[in-house]
Amino acid sequence: DVKVTQSSRYLVKRTGEKVFLECVQDMDHENMFWYRQDPGLGLRLIYFSYDVKMKEKGDIPEGYSVSREKKERFSLILESASTNQTSMYLCASSPYRSLLNTEAFFGQGTRLTVV
Amino acid sequence: ELKVEQNPLFLSMQEGKNYTIYCNYSTTSDRLYWYRQDPGKSLESLFVLLSNGAVKQEGRLMASLDTKARLSTLHITAAVHDLSATYFCAVDLSLDPQFYFGTGTSLTVIP
Repeated sequence: DVKVTQSSRYLVKRTGEKVFLECVQDMDHENMFWYRQDPGLGLRLIYFSYDVKMKEKGDIPEGYSVSREKKERFSLILESASTNQTSMYLCASSPYRSLLNTEAFFGQGTRLTVV
Repeated sequence: ELKVEQNPLFLSMQEGKNYTIYCNYSTTSDRLYWYRQDPGKSLESLFVLLSNGAVKQEGRLMASLDTKARLSTLHITAAVHDLSATYFCAVDLSLDPQFYFGTGTSLTVIP
């Protein structure tokens, strides 16, 4: 079974803190993604990575950065957490696009509350 | 930019009834995915449709893809309460690593 594991299920942080959300996948997938999900707004892509040390901005990158030092791990960093970053964060991975089936697999999600 | 639209956004249906969720997308793509999300949980893959005319079925759910019409449908047959969830469709493009998600359809099956 493909497994995408996020480091925390629930997280509470204070405004101004630097926050790290970790995601690990065990399927040797090239692509990894970070989304946030808010009621009524669907899934919004924050950043994605198609290779080690490579990253691309998604739709809402402001206030976030990412790190991909190893193929299996993709970290989302909130440089200075703010209350408007309270959300559900979802990590996903998928294989390289040249394959026919490039289905994305999701982690269990991290519900972050910034107080 | 590829746009993916689902309708309806909200669906309340009685147990035993049939209904269809529609997913339209704006750019040619041969691959479409359906996901299910239970409240407070993550997304779980339901179907992967990889070519025009593809049809997949699992239990009371059947998904189909018409790439010429840029349309996928998720048909629910004789709904049961356990199908209550939010359903997302997603599309990707051959040279683009991203997935483009629809806004989701929140389904509630009433006893």
